[in-house]
Amino acid sequence: GAVVSQHPSWVICKSGTSVKIECRSLDFQATTMFWYRQFPKQSLMLMATSNEGSKATYEQGVEKDKFLINHASLTLSTLTVTSAHPEDSSFYICSARGATYGYTFGSGTRLTVV
Amino acid sequence: DAKTTQPPSMDCAEGRAANLPCNHSTISGNEYVYWYRQIHSQGPQYIIHGLKNNETNEMASLIITEDRKSSTLILPHATLRDTAVYYCIVRVGDQGGKLIFGQGTELSVKP
Repeated sequence: GAVVSQHPSWVICKSGTSVKIECRSLDFQATTMFWYRQFPKQSLMLMATSNEGSKATYEQGVEKDKFLINHASLTLSTLTVTSAHPEDSSFYICSARGATYGYTFGSGTRLTVV
Repeated sequence: DAKTTQPPSMDCAEGRAANLPCNHSTISGNEYVYWYRQIHSQGPQYIIHGLKNNETNEMASLIITEDRKSSTLILPHATLRDTAVYYCIVRVGDQGGKLIFGQGTELSVKP
């Protein structure tokens, strides 16, 4: 079946630094990737949609200059949280959609900003 | 916003069938119903999806009413490992196929 690898699984960073999260589709080509954020006891909130080779489309209220998304190939998308602050601490999850496999989710990245 | 309504929580006895309902009264004719589940601190796991016919796979069955305004996910023999939050999602086809998550149902399977 389709597998999406997300790395790192957890990261702790200092306030003001940037953090990059990678999302890779291992055995299929992902024409579209999605990034979600999830706070404790809440549902997943869609942040942005990215298509390979084009700019990401951000959901309303999501700062595109703070959450940089790059989808440079059909198997890799990255999310960079710039100038992170404690309120950015959250569980970040990516999802990849291929032509055959539908939507597959990564295992998530727990970001803690101290 | 998500266009589905689910009960916030349900209990089920181990070994029994778990029936999780979902209302999606505003669903359009070409929109699919997807079910995912999320075990604590993991990414969502695909369960099943359907358009209008009932569907079955190795994990579950999906029963969609004839008017498509509601559906039921059935886990035929629930185990403790099925304890999770279950999300019923209507795929927003005309908005790039995004999956918008609602609040889901927290299913607790008890021994």
